[in-house]
Amino acid sequence: EAQVTQNPRYLITVTGKKLTVTCSQNMNHEYMSWYRQDPGLGLRQIYYSMNVEVTDKGDVPEGYKVSRKEKRNFPLILESPSPNQTSLYFCASSWGSAYNEQFFGPGTRLTVL
Amino acid sequence: KNEVEQSPQNLTAQEGEFITINCSYSVGISALHWLQQHPGGGIVSLFMLSSGKKKHGRLIATINIQEKHSSLHITASHPRDSAVYICAVRNVGAGGTSYGKLTFGQGTILTVHP
Repeated sequence: EAQVTQNPRYLITVTGKKLTVTCSQNMNHEYMSWYRQDPGLGLRQIYYSMNVEVTDKGDVPEGYKVSRKEKRNFPLILESPSPNQTSLYFCASSWGSAYNEQFFGPGTRLTVL
Repeated sequence: KNEVEQSPQNLTAQEGEFITINCSYSVGISALHWLQQHPGGGIVSLFMLSSGKKKHGRLIATINIQEKHSSLHITASHPRDSAVYICAVRNVGAGGTSYGKLTFGQGTILTVHP
């Protein structure tokens, strides 16, 4: 089954404790991206990757890191999480670029205390 | 002012009604996406438009590039259409770059009553 998976789905952590949210797709997509969704602000793009070893900032990259060492994986790293990073996070992938149909993961709900 | 504006923010309808959700944008774009977010939180892609009109079942999406406006129509609405509908634009940066950037509208919450 073609899908985008994220882990964990739910996470409660404390300020400053490094964490990684994984994203994996099995469709051989070149493009992958991370978004956060907050009430009243909607979805906002954090980082995206056009292919292996090619990443770029979205609109809200501060406090986040990404890497794309393999085509199927695009982890989101929070090196020192803060409460303002409490949010619902989505990973998505597509053929080529953001031009094409986006396939979304199920979301990760993160709470930083 | 947001680069992508949706209207209305909330929409309540009776089953069977024709529904229109609007999306206006202020930036140059090469594509516009309509997404549906279910009450459980999952997001699915409905349409990608670069020009004209697309139809899938009871859903119709149109875009007018010159007017920087897109509409999503739902014919014969049904309670299962209740969801948040989100438009997203693929920006074209000043130098024709930013192929990977997407900017989203705030979403329209649709509730269809039986």
